[in-house]
Parts: sequence; structure tokens; C-alpha cells
Amino acid sequence: DIQMTQSPASLSASVGETVTITCRASENIYSYLAWYQQKQGKSPQLLVYNAKTLAEGVPSRFSGSGSGTQFSLKINSLQPEDFGSYYCQHHYGTPYTFGGGTKLEIK
Amino acid sequence: DVQLQESGPGLVKPSQSLSLTCSVTGYSITSGYYWNWIRQFPGNKLEWMGYISYDGSNNYNPSLKNRISITRDTSKNQFFLKLNSVTTEDTATYYCARDPDGYYFDYWGQGTTLTVSS
Repeated sequence: DIQMTQSPASLSASVGETVTITCRASENIYSYLAWYQQKQGKSPQLLVYNAKTLAEGVPSRFSGSGSGTQFSLKINSLQPEDFGSYYCQHHYGTPYTFGGGTKLEIK
Repeated sequence: DVQLQESGPGLVKPSQSLSLTCSVTGYSITSGYYWNWIRQFPGNKLEWMGYISYDGSNNYNPSLKNRISITRDTSKNQFFLKLNSVTTEDTATYYCARDPDGYYFDYWGQGTTLTVSS
């Protein structure tokens, strides 16, 4: 199986700041990467797919980049509703696997 | 709008089978797409379990070996997860989710928590 490694595991930031979360795949997954946001007690919500395509309704302050084995999710000008956990997931064939998550907290 | 909702027993004893239902509204599961089960363990690790496609074919995570079965009832627009021989390690929140292209998950249910305990 392809292993997905996210960093950092946790992150503390203030409203208005810009943050970047990274995800590394154990082998080349081209651009077959998705990002999800999960709030406490809720199901994950799709943010980005194909590494850089924003899902419908996702604010433009979110952006995804990368290809091959290195990917990142950037959030510009953090808003209060952006705090929660973020997960990457490769979609280069089954079994799909997820990163361990990044918990983004308010400083 | 598409909505998915899981339902299940909440508690299952070790060695028994778990059965969960995902009820879909707003889209026919035979019209297209892939209908998945994903679980999240305590500690938040996510695991893709498998799917049933619009044409009824299946794809399962090999880690679940021969324990898993995903079926459907097209008349009720529901699909089901059955996992045999459960252990405490199967304790998790179980989500059903739609995959529009065979790659990622755009609609999720709210999740149902399942505890395996004697």
C-alpha cells in the first residue's frame, strides 16, 4: 500500500495568518491527491482533488499544489471556521490511503 | 441535494458480524458513481474499506481479507456493509461516502459509531 505522511501533526496559528500543511507519498502518485477538512464530531469534507482542483464551494484562500510524492495545502488569511483537522488521501488506485492528519488549532 | 445516512447497532460482541446500512437520498445509486465505506478509528486514523459501484461491482481493501462484503438494495436506494468476525480493533466510526470518479469522496454521511465489546 502507498503510505501517506503528513506534517506537522499539529499546528497553532492565529486568525489572519497563512499556514501550509505538507503530505508525502511513499511512491509517485502523480497528481492523484485529495485534501479533506474535518471539524470535531463531523464527517470529513472534500477541499481539493487532483492535487490542486478546489471542490465546489471551497473558498479561494485554500490552495493545493505538488505532484509526484510531495504535496501541500496552503490556507491564506486563516478564518475562525478553518480550525480543525486536515487529511490528505491518495487516489492513485486502490487501496486508497489517508495521511495521519494535521490538527490546526487557534493560537 | 445528495445525502447519505448511516445506521447500525452501535454495539457488537467480539466474533460476531457487524451490519451497517447507508441510505442515500437525492441520487440513485444505480445511476453512477462508487459508494464507499470508510472508517475512522479512535485516534483518528482513516481507513478506506471498499465500495460497490453503480453497476454492482465491488472493490475491497485487501487488509480486510475475506471478512468484508458490500451489497445493495436498489429498490430502497441503500447499500450495506457486513464485516465478519469482528474484534475490538474494529471499534470505529463508520462513514459511507460517494466517490464521483473512482478517486475521492465528495459526499459523506454523518457517521455511525460502532463499539465491539463483550
